[in-house]
Amino acid sequence: QQQVKQSPQSLIVQKGGIPIINCAYENTAFDYFPWYQQFPGKGPALLIAIRPDVSEKKEGRFTISFNKSAKQFSLHIMDSQPGDSATYFCAASETGANNLFFGTGTRLTVIP
Amino acid sequence: DAGITQSPRHKVTETGTPVTLRCHQTENHRYMYWYRQDPGHGLRLIHYSYGVKDTDKGEVSDGYSVSRSKTEDFLLTLESATSSQTSVYFCAISESAGLAKNIQYFGAGTRLSVL
Repeated sequence: QQQVKQSPQSLIVQKGGIPIINCAYENTAFDYFPWYQQFPGKGPALLIAIRPDVSEKKEGRFTISFNKSAKQFSLHIMDSQPGDSATYFCAASETGANNLFFGTGTRLTVIP
Repeated sequence: DAGITQSPRHKVTETGTPVTLRCHQTENHRYMYWYRQDPGHGLRLIHYSYGVKDTDKGEVSDGYSVSRSKTEDFLLTLESATSSQTSVYFCAISESAGLAKNIQYFGAGTRLSVL
């Protein structure tokens, strides 16, 4: 049973486009929502994270939008670049909990 | 990769043989985790440790055991490897206090093939 549902599975955009990756969860106890970026042959690396007290968080070209009532959150990549081509994972957990529940991943390809 | 070394990076083994994967950290973080990554499943937690000799199960712990005799080392053992354990295994670490506990840093992974 997937605690966090992620879509789409793969995404291809042109350079400069704005890919959007969506995640949904059911457990209302979740209060920490990170996004991880993974390049081939590497481990996932924390990209950006949000807590439910805000509806949006921006770090550079990466933005998380959070909808608490819908139990959904999404990652937007502004002005996407070929170097952003990677697999992106959303995740969720409760503060202080040991288990971080991951989505199934989205493989993003940015075409030059 | 945040001071985390996984070894070996690649391993091919036969069904029924024991396998041990090692995770070594230089960050002195209290928490250590083992995940497996499979297509269509994302990353799933196998076991974690919250201190020396303190470990607990994750969501996919069957067929795996772990040990932590030193802060810096966390071992994952497959007592009798099966083909369903073919996967990429990641070690992660996190600090112990408050909100920081949720921020996990990952190693580069070990690709294991069980034939």
